[in-house]
Amino acid sequence: DADVTQTPRNRITKTGKRIMLECSQTKGHDRMYWYRQDPGLGLRLIYYSFDVKDINKGEISDGYSVSRQAQAKFSLSLESAIPNQTALYFCATSDRGTSGRAPYNEQFFGPGTRLTVL
Amino acid sequence: RKEVEQDPGPFNVPEGATVAFNCTYSNSASQSFFWYRQDCRKEPKLLMSVYSSGNEDGRFTAQLNRASQYISLLIRDSKLSDSATYLCVVRALGSQGNLIFGKGTKLSVKP
Repeated sequence: DADVTQTPRNRITKTGKRIMLECSQTKGHDRMYWYRQDPGLGLRLIYYSFDVKDINKGEISDGYSVSRQAQAKFSLSLESAIPNQTALYFCATSDRGTSGRAPYNEQFFGPGTRLTVL
Repeated sequence: RKEVEQDPGPFNVPEGATVAFNCTYSNSASQSFFWYRQDCRKEPKLLMSVYSSGNEDGRFTAQLNRASQYISLLIRDSKLSDSATYLCVVRALGSQGNLIFGKGTKLSVKP
């Protein structure tokens, strides 16, 4: 079984609809992230969470919200979807690390959700 | 200037070729550097970290030049299975460990 799972894997919806993308992980990691990937723009960070009580905005949080329901679950919501939110969305996780200075630890990505907003 | 810049390619090379990818980053306070690999329609996966002294992992060699703010990845003896997009990734001081991804360089290895 995959360590980081995302549901749904594909979704087509209409402008104005509310959409929730879900992410679950069995790696026991504290940190979770949501990214979107657009052709020609690379991966951009939407939100991140360092633990259940910690939620932070990333580079492009406008139009999105998140919920960290448990250590293993991090969901992304589009309250009112618009066509320019059509993209490939990735959830990722990483471990906390052993230093107080937030060292890098490898991020593990889920398989992605392809979202199309018509 | 973009934070992390890469030549988008595509690089089309025959099997067995040596190919080099370059990446530049704009934040001189960047602390850590990585190459990720992303297959078509798949998630990115860490290929290797990049250390100041340079490092090698089999056919892959990564180099870092802090003075020029430049990172490179060299692939020797290319295999068909190396076909993918290679993402240059940087972590900056004060970014809470968050990563900045380049747009990626696409490699296609042909028989």
